[in-house]
Amino acid sequence: AQSVAQPEDQVNVAEGNPLTVKCTYSVSGNPYLFWYVQYPNRGLQFLLKYITGDNLVKGSYGFEAEFNKSQTSFHLKKPSALVSDSALYFCAVRVGTGGFKTIFGAGTRLFVKA
Amino acid sequence: DGGITQSPKYLFRKEGQNVTLSCEQNLNHDAMYWYRQDPGQGLRLIYYSQIVNDFQKGDIAEGYSVSREKKESFPLTVTSAQKNPTAFYLCASSTTDSSNQPQHFGDGTRLSIL
Repeated sequence: AQSVAQPEDQVNVAEGNPLTVKCTYSVSGNPYLFWYVQYPNRGLQFLLKYITGDNLVKGSYGFEAEFNKSQTSFHLKKPSALVSDSALYFCAVRVGTGGFKTIFGAGTRLFVKA
Repeated sequence: DGGITQSPKYLFRKEGQNVTLSCEQNLNHDAMYWYRQDPGQGLRLIYYSQIVNDFQKGDIAEGYSVSREKKESFPLTVTSAQKNPTAFYLCASSTTDSSNQPQHFGDGTRLSIL
């Protein structure tokens, strides 16, 4: 069965420190990987995606993610966290051509302390 | 600005009542989706539609119904058969020419039981 795991319910980091939000996946076929962010009482906003090519993907608001095929991981990173980065982050995967179903992880809540 | 509009933002349902959540998009997207979000469970797919007058059940379709009479609109009805409807409902859309495109989300409808 295809699945996405975000092993941490919550990540706490001090402002200015680097942050990592972890994601691992299990799919058959070539995965298309996404990160979304959700602020309170809002919908999800797209941050970045990995389709093919460079394993390090850069996205919005200074976020980047590293694709690791051997570890089936797609961890979200940012070199220097801001208080405004505090939100709920979702990893997601779609599979193959014409795959309309997206599988979402359970989400990781990021708290950035001033 | 192009986007997805969900209404109402808050909705209350009485016992035995059907309620309809509205979702309208002006992004010219062919595919539309309904998700249910519960705390700690991520997003679960209720229904999706790839084209007008066609839709498919997702993972948790029981107690819900949809229609897709226009490209721009994909309303969701929560029927009285849905015994635990309290949740945050998110509508999304995407292009269908490639599964490597992200989904665009509305700002959700929060449904509660009276």
